[in-house]
Amino acid sequence: DQQVKQNSPSLSVQEGRISILNCDYTNSMFDYFLWYKKYPAEGPTFLISISSIKDKNEDGRFTVFLNKSAKHLSLHIVPSQPGDSAVYFCAASEIQGAQKLVFGQGTRLTINP
Amino acid sequence: DTGVSQDPRHKITKRGQNVTFRCDPISEHNRLYWYRQTLGQGPEFLTYFQNEAQLEKSRLLSDRFSAERPKGSFSTLEIQRTEQGDSAMYLCASRLQVEKLFFGSGTQLSVL
Repeated sequence: DQQVKQNSPSLSVQEGRISILNCDYTNSMFDYFLWYKKYPAEGPTFLISISSIKDKNEDGRFTVFLNKSAKHLSLHIVPSQPGDSAVYFCAASEIQGAQKLVFGQGTRLTINP
Repeated sequence: DTGVSQDPRHKITKRGQNVTFRCDPISEHNRLYWYRQTLGQGPEFLTYFQNEAQLEKSRLLSDRFSAERPKGSFSTLEIQRTEQGDSAMYLCASRLQVEKLFFGSGTQLSVL
């Protein structure tokens, strides 16, 4: 069962516009969420996170929104830049226990000049 | 830069052979994780160490897989009698307490 789902395998956005990546989860025990970015031939790198006690967290051009009732989160990138082209993974964890991350399938974001 | 280091970067092997991968975490990180990523999927948790103790193993980790972290420093992941389905990117990650995971660049395994 896929506990974290990213239903859009790919997304293409014009440079300077807003990129919105979506993620849904099914496990109500998840209370910590992260976004990772991955370039080819590299490991994922941490981008931004949010705890379930918040509904928004912002870091520069990146904002993550969490809607607990809908079990949905989204990553907004504004303005989008060519260097943002990568695969973005949504991940979730339960704070207790091993704190392993459960990842979504990823969304490939392409920023067009 | 003393990030998470993995070796080798690529490994090609024949079905039935044994392979071993190494991970050197960030030095002060006490928690080490192994993940596996196949094409079109996100990383999947395999196992987790806190210091030298292996505290959790995924059902994905069959009996052919074994991981160690002697002395709580580097870790090795061994796959015995490799199968074509083992072909994947094997990612190592480390963290200190509740901080974010830092991933290595991975070992790409191809089983022919």
